[in-house]
Amino acid sequence: KAGVTQTPRYLIKTRGQQVTLSCSPISGHRSVSWYQQTPGQGLQFLFEYFSETQRNKGNFPGRFSGRQFSNSRSEMNVSTLELGDSALYLCASSFQLATSTDTQYFGPGTRLTVL
Amino acid sequence: QQPVQSPQAVILREGEDAVINCSSSKALYSVHWYRQKHGEAPVFLMILLKGGEQKGHDKISASFNEKKQQSSLYLTASQLSYSGTYFCGTEGDTGNQFYFGTGTSLTVIP
Repeated sequence: KAGVTQTPRYLIKTRGQQVTLSCSPISGHRSVSWYQQTPGQGLQFLFEYFSETQRNKGNFPGRFSGRQFSNSRSEMNVSTLELGDSALYLCASSFQLATSTDTQYFGPGTRLTVL
Repeated sequence: QQPVQSPQAVILREGEDAVINCSSSKALYSVHWYRQKHGEAPVFLMILLKGGEQKGHDKISASFNEKKQQSSLYLTASQLSYSGTYFCGTEGDTGNQFYFGTGTSLTVIP
């Protein structure tokens, strides 16, 4: 069974640009959650999608958005990039909502660098 | 609203036990535990839901005291593979805000 995949793995952008990151969950999983990890802020929750609906959202500005497609694949978009957006972006999938007792599986992450 | 973990760091010898605590100032609905090794993605360990249950697998278990808004992760007879940074994640009882703890670095030495 293939694990969670994230593309691209590494990305370099400049301030003001926008970026789209992709996450393909494990087959059959309907929940995809996104997280940001930085040395300064640690791990932070971005949002969770379940069956194409956003179920939960963290405390991030509106520049951060996401969506989930009918095949459960998810994308997150960051517009007007700032230097502080440089981070490792992780996604995780589970069969049920992340707040259920289901196991979450993480992807390897996308390392975004904003110059 | 970020839960506080203690200790910040701990060094153990193989076979020793450790307890990592996660405390929140808000009423909690669930507590999640993760382990992350350097350069790798986090690995989900377990989730505890409101109800004060205790869960575990192998030699790693956890408890959730909803009255104290606190969860503890217990690692018994530690192995070298237990080394890493442990994070708790909490979801509040009202609303859906999810926050990660500050992390606990655990190092197991031979």
